[in-house]
Amino acid sequence: KAGVTQTPRYLIKTRGQQVTLSCSPISGHRSVSWYQQTPGQGLQFLFEYFSETQRNKGNFPGRFSGRQFSNSRSEMNVSTLELGDSALYLCASSASGGHEQFFGPGTRLTVL
Amino acid sequence: GQQLNQSPQSMFIQEGEDVSMNCTSSSIFNTWLWYKQDPGEGPVLLIALYKAGELTSNGRLTAQFGITRKDSFLNISASIPSDVGIYFCAGDDSGTYKYIFGTGTRLKVLA
Repeated sequence: KAGVTQTPRYLIKTRGQQVTLSCSPISGHRSVSWYQQTPGQGLQFLFEYFSETQRNKGNFPGRFSGRQFSNSRSEMNVSTLELGDSALYLCASSASGGHEQFFGPGTRLTVL
Repeated sequence: GQQLNQSPQSMFIQEGEDVSMNCTSSSIFNTWLWYKQDPGEGPVLLIALYKAGELTSNGRLTAQFGITRKDSFLNISASIPSDVGIYFCAGDDSGTYKYIFGTGTRLKVLA
């Protein structure tokens, strides 16, 4: 079974721009969670989608948004980028009703 | 953001030694997960724990779900160089699918 894939792996943007990151979960997994990882704050939960609905949300500003498609693929969008948004963005998928989350390799976002 | 307290923050050990690390929380968790992350990669799930007092092994790794449900422990026996990396614990917030991650334990193994 293929693992969780994330695209792109690396991204460089400038302040004020917006960005869209993509995550394809493990086949059959319907839950996708997104995390932001920085050296200072560690791994922080952004949101979780299940069957195209946002089920849980972390404490991030509204500039961070996401969605999930009928095939369980998910995207997250960050608008009006700030320098502090530079981070590794990770997505994780889990099976229906399962708590075991499997992570993708992440997208490294650098905001200049 | 909310985080779990994980200790130690980092440790150097000799190859062949056993390693212990733990995670504590002020909240009760229903699930504990342990992950290992290598540089530039996403975390890899090592062990999942679902029941207070549960002890689960995965090869040389053993993890326990604390009786109080506010802590968890990970032990690595007979460490080898490829054990190098950052180990994270994670607990589910109020039984939801929203996970809170520990601050990480950076392990360095001296051959």
